[in-house]
Amino acid sequence: SQQGEEDPQALSIQEGENATMNCSYKTSINNLQWYRQNSGRGLVHLILIRSNEREKHSGRLRVTLDTSKKSSSLLITASRAADTASYFCATGNTNAGKSTFGDGTTLTVKP
Amino acid sequence: GAVVSQHPSRVICKSGTSVKIECRSLDFQATTMFWYRQFPKKSLMLMATSNEGSKATYEQGVEKDKFLINHASLTLSTLTVTSAHPEDSSFYICSAREDTVQETQYFGPGTRLLVL
Repeated sequence: SQQGEEDPQALSIQEGENATMNCSYKTSINNLQWYRQNSGRGLVHLILIRSNEREKHSGRLRVTLDTSKKSSSLLITASRAADTASYFCATGNTNAGKSTFGDGTTLTVKP
Repeated sequence: GAVVSQHPSRVICKSGTSVKIECRSLDFQATTMFWYRQFPKKSLMLMATSNEGSKATYEQGVEKDKFLINHASLTLSTLTVTSAHPEDSSFYICSAREDTVQETQYFGPGTRLLVL
């Protein structure tokens, strides 16, 4: 199964509300990254958080990492219709040299 | 940010033909590139790791003779789907890892392959 598993699979909210997505993983990691994918497009890198970090911010994005629970969350504040996309987490392990993706959360922000 | 391009963006071919997809890192060097396949509403499935100047490393279950990978330079990797069949129809995405900052992968826009 995938290393990263996002929760929920789908999320629908109104513009202006906050959206929270969670990611759980199974093995040890060096970093965890969140990506965004618009329908039919490639992935856009949003934020990377390292295993020794607990929280990171980037604009309206806030990412947390709890290595004891092997989980991460992505919070999008004051959501906009343009935030509608699929969001994936990917765990990185320097030794493995590759990232493993979860199934993603499909976010719909209604105007 | 770093830019990765893919060509073509969309291709339709007949069953039995071969299709080549190019992945280029436009403003950085990438010793390592990755090829993914994505089914509708699904996650990315890593097919292989492409290493410049050496053989690609394929994930379990991926046929290396079916999906030929060539990483001839630090900015170009190609994926050739040989003798394509309708079940090979999918969205293929490449990514490149910048040599100087190895933690982040930069993704191409993807190639939609339809085999008739």
